[in-house]
Order: sequence, then structure tokens, then C-alpha cells
Amino acid sequence: DAMVIQNPRYQVTQFGKPVTLSCSQTLNHNVMYWYQQKSSQAPKLLFHYYDKDFNNEADTPDNFQSRRPNTSFCFLDIRSPGLGDAAMYLCATSREQGGRNEQYFGPGTRLTVT
Amino acid sequence: AQSVAQPEDQVNVAEGNPLTVKCTYSVSGNPYLFWYVQYPNRGLQFLLKYITGDNLVKGSYGFEAEFNKSQTSFHLKKPSALVSDSALYFCAVRDRGRGDKLIFGTGTRLQVFP
Repeated sequence: DAMVIQNPRYQVTQFGKPVTLSCSQTLNHNVMYWYQQKSSQAPKLLFHYYDKDFNNEADTPDNFQSRRPNTSFCFLDIRSPGLGDAAMYLCATSREQGGRNEQYFGPGTRLTVT
Repeated sequence: AQSVAQPEDQVNVAEGNPLTVKCTYSVSGNPYLFWYVQYPNRGLQFLLKYITGDNLVKGSYGFEAEFNKSQTSFHLKKPSALVSDSALYFCAVRDRGRGDKLIFGTGTRLQVFP
């Protein structure tokens, strides 16, 4: 049973054309995360939500935005993708407990920018 | 500053032999430590964690890890490697300043040869 679902699995967009990646979860976790991962490097946290409380990382470009309309869904919007934004984007969830709980990751969306 | 280090980019081991993937950490206070595995074109999967208690932690797929406070290490081990264990492994530590965030190591690619 899929617990963290990401759609689409593969996304191709053109340079500068806005794109939205989606994530949904069936775990009812209150924390949701978006990571960017490039070529087998460590995942880089872009932002995360505690419920609807949005937390942006200091070095996340303004080009990246996020929305969480309800507990189950979270979206990553890239307003004007550049070639450097080509990467795997990972969504994850956890149940808030002072960092004791593991994160559950979706399968990722691989973004190609042409 | 808090950090985790994975000193080996790649570990090669023959099937049936024991494997060790190394991780050291640098945090103030008691660390919460995690291991994740990533197969090609997939998200990260949680393997095991150390929060408190017994220093030897057992996890999924026959993996275990030993928390060693004096050596500030949390090495991942398995008594008998399988070819299917070949993947990218990440060690992570809770970011004490930021609740449920994780600080990831750079990853170690494990290659198990038949």
C-alpha cells in the first residue's frame, strides 16, 4: 500500500515554463517535507510544513514555492525552471515527535528541463 | 555545528561476506541517528534508528547498527551481504535546533558482488 505518493514520476518541462509537482500521503502525518536530490548526492531540504506552518530553508531559491491545502496533499511549484533545477524531487512525511520519528519518503519525481 | 560524516564514497563486498558502512557524527548532547537506503530511481527507505537505550539497534532486511558514544560512531552492519543490498546508504542525525529536520551524510554506495 502506497503511503507517500508522488505524481508524476517523471516530468519534462521547458526552460522557464512553470511546473507543479504533487505529493499525497495516507499516513495522516502532520509534517511534510520537500527535498531536492541531484545525482546521488544527499537530499537537500527545500522547505517543510508543521501542519499548515510553512518553514522555508534560508538557501531555497525564491523560484521554489509550496502549498499545502490540507493534511494529505502538498505541492511544489517551480515558477521558472532553469537547467540547474533538473533533479529528483522527494516528498517525505513524519509524525512530529521532537525528531524521534523516521521520515517516510515517496518514490520521487524526476524533473528534466529542456 | 552538527554534522554526520560518511568517510567512504563506495564500499565493495562479496556476497555472503559481512558488510560495514561507516558513519560518524558530531552533535552536542544525545544524538538521534538514522540510516536510510536508496535504490536506483526510488525514494529513501528507513532502515533503523537510535534514539536511546540499547546501543545495538536492529532494523529492516537484517541490518543492524551499533551506537558508540566514545567513538561518536553509528556504523551500519550486516553479517552476510546479498547482491540485492547494493544501493546508496545515507546516515542522518536529527538537527537539534530545528525539530524534526535531518542532517544527512554524503552517502555511501554499497556494491555487493556475486
